[in-house]
Amino acid sequence: QKEVEQNSGPLSVPEGAIASLNCTYSDRGSQSFFWYRQYSGKSPELIMFIYSNGDKEDGRFTAQLNKASQYVSLLIRDSQPSDSATYLCAVKGYNFNKFYFGSGTKLNVKP
Amino acid sequence: GAVVSQHPSRVICKSGTSVKIECRSLDFQATTMFWYRQFPKQSLMLMATSNEGSKATYEQGVEKDKFLINHASLTLSTLTVTSAHPEDSSFYICSARERGDLYEQYFGPGTRLTVT
Repeated sequence: QKEVEQNSGPLSVPEGAIASLNCTYSDRGSQSFFWYRQYSGKSPELIMFIYSNGDKEDGRFTAQLNKASQYVSLLIRDSQPSDSATYLCAVKGYNFNKFYFGSGTKLNVKP
Repeated sequence: GAVVSQHPSRVICKSGTSVKIECRSLDFQATTMFWYRQFPKQSLMLMATSNEGSKATYEQGVEKDKFLINHASLTLSTLTVTSAHPEDSSFYICSARERGDLYEQYFGPGTRLTVT
């Protein structure tokens, strides 16, 4: 069983719509949860992290965490073509140092 | 702030040779550095974790004698791919975490290795 699961997509949304990206994880002891954006051929860049149940908002981005369901999501409001990228979910597990990445969801925002 | 550099950005080498990749934290002290490998259309796979001044901890299935990691200072870690083969061709990315930072790791720009 994979540690972190994501739908590979592609997820296509029209410009201005809300994009919803989902991630599940297997380790109940996971401490913190991260969303990264990765453009083709580039390294990941951190969008936001969350460690408490509930919602965390930063600009157009909202991360949602439900530890009971082992589920974390990322909402992107007012999606822009520049948001088109692969979004990686990462989980920091019980081992303090390690980050486990999902396989990523490719998002296409159509103008 | 929090900039991580990697060198080289691209390298092509012949099968059987060794390649060294450098990862530097430019404006902070990185007590922990991570090395990842990413094959096309796949996610990042953690290869090893290195702490300054101590031996790297390798993930299961990663050959420590083939992928030599040295974290000699708080700003520099190196990954040497020894006796490279075409199947080692990949995108290698390092990341660094600052002392006391519980949540963030800062990624380098990556190194594209092609073994011919």
